Amino acid sequence: SQQGEEDPQALSIQEGENATMNCSYKTSINNLQWYRQNSGRGLVHLILIRSNEREKHSGRLRVTLDTSKKSSSLLITASRAADTASYFCATDRGGYSSASKIIFGSGTRLSIRP
Amino acid sequence: DGGITQSPKYLFRKEGQNVTLSCEQNLNHDAMYWYRQDPGQGLRLIYYSQIVNDFQKGDIAEGYSVSREKKESFPLTVTSAQKNPTAFYLCASSIGPWNRGRLGNQPQHFGDGTRLSIL
Repeated sequence: SQQGEEDPQALSIQEGENATMNCSYKTSINNLQWYRQNSGRGLVHLILIRSNEREKHSGRLRVTLDTSKKSSSLLITASRAADTASYFCATDRGGYSSASKIIFGSGTRLSIRP
Repeated sequence: DGGITQSPKYLFRKEGQNVTLSCEQNLNHDAMYWYRQDPGQGLRLIYYSQIVNDFQKGDIAEGYSVSREKKESFPLTVTSAQKNPTAFYLCASSIGPWNRGRLGNQPQHFGDGTRLSIL
């Protein structure tokens, strides 16, 4: 069962533009994570935001979390060709009993045009 | 350098054959995970282990088996009962969610995957 769902499924932008991806989820969470996957490789963790946080930054990445709307967004500013990848959000199901399992969405495929 | 090593990178299975995918980590992580990824899809959890000698079924455990005899190792066997094994298999590890008072799941570190195909 899917907990997080990304939107859009695919995004193509010009190098230098900003890219925004969204994630919606269904149940309460302890935290939400974003990962990047280059083609044919494993996932790389980008950022974790806790349920009591609203915004977090890491370099050119900005993540927001709105627990009232059960949604998160990932903004990549000043995009580069190396940002071409698939991006996934991942959530747990909240509470103590369900920790250790996180659920991945189906991802947003980001393409940066030179 | 610390990390996770998956082997082999490519694996071919004959009908009726069991195959084992290797996953080793030197990050001293308690928790380890196996995921399956189909083309254009997200990751689905097969099995996970929070501690040595213990593991739990994920969402798609049928046709798979695991063991966790050592902290560093979490091999996955794809049995002949798994009728559609062709996929990209990813192994991951993390510190436990309870370590040092943390609540909730912690960042997972991934290997570079094993691509399994049927001959």
